[in-house]
Amino acid sequence: FELKQSPSVSVSPRQTATITCSGDGLSRKYVCWYHQKSGQAPVLVLYEDSKRPSGIPERFSGSRSGTMATLTISGAQVEDEGYYYCYSTDRFGGVFGGGTKLTVL
Amino acid sequence: QVRLQQSGPRLVKPSETLSLTCVVSGYSIGSGYYWSWIRQPPGKGLEYIGGIYYSGGTYFNESLRSRATLSIDTSRNQFSLQLASVTAADTAVYFCAREGNPISIVGKIDFWGRGTPVTVSS
Repeated sequence: FELKQSPSVSVSPRQTATITCSGDGLSRKYVCWYHQKSGQAPVLVLYEDSKRPSGIPERFSGSRSGTMATLTISGAQVEDEGYYYCYSTDRFGGVFGGGTKLTVL
Repeated sequence: QVRLQQSGPRLVKPSETLSLTCVVSGYSIGSGYYWSWIRQPPGKGLEYIGGIYYSGGTYFNESLRSRATLSIDTSRNQFSLQLASVTAADTAVYFCAREGNPISIVGKIDFWGRGTPVTVSS
């Protein structure tokens, strides 16, 4: 079970950033999304495809259709820069996508 | 608030065993969830190592299964990772984390340790 992400996305501030995650098993699995800044532990931004944990801004939203999950940041801000990883589970445990570097400038 | 405090040596010699411990506060690990390890080599993405339930059930990344051992001590509210026969390719930041839901591994990784950088070098 492999999760594939595009290596990088670049947007200007206040634009919409879209990050995708694809995998054959995703049609039957929930996806989580994590944001990681350099030198820090990842932070959960979405779980069960589209639910936001407490403290995550409303500009973060998510969806899943078929074998693809999408993270959307509506009105991206400079502090949203960093790497985003999708995550799901298979019969061996957790699986991470390769990560997408988001640049906001 | 669940907190995970990691400890262990930051330098390990090639062919030796890497050992890390994660002490949990704010939640009794005997109440459920999987307690897991994730690593991140320098400049690379996140790699799942494995997770353990309080009853001893485990999941492993198949590529590391032969070298990784997970253990859990509910009396001390801590869990541990041992990785045998390490090489330079095992150099990474190692994170401990809480994974899943109270009864299974399906869910989210919601609490993370701060990470321990481990270098494999003679």
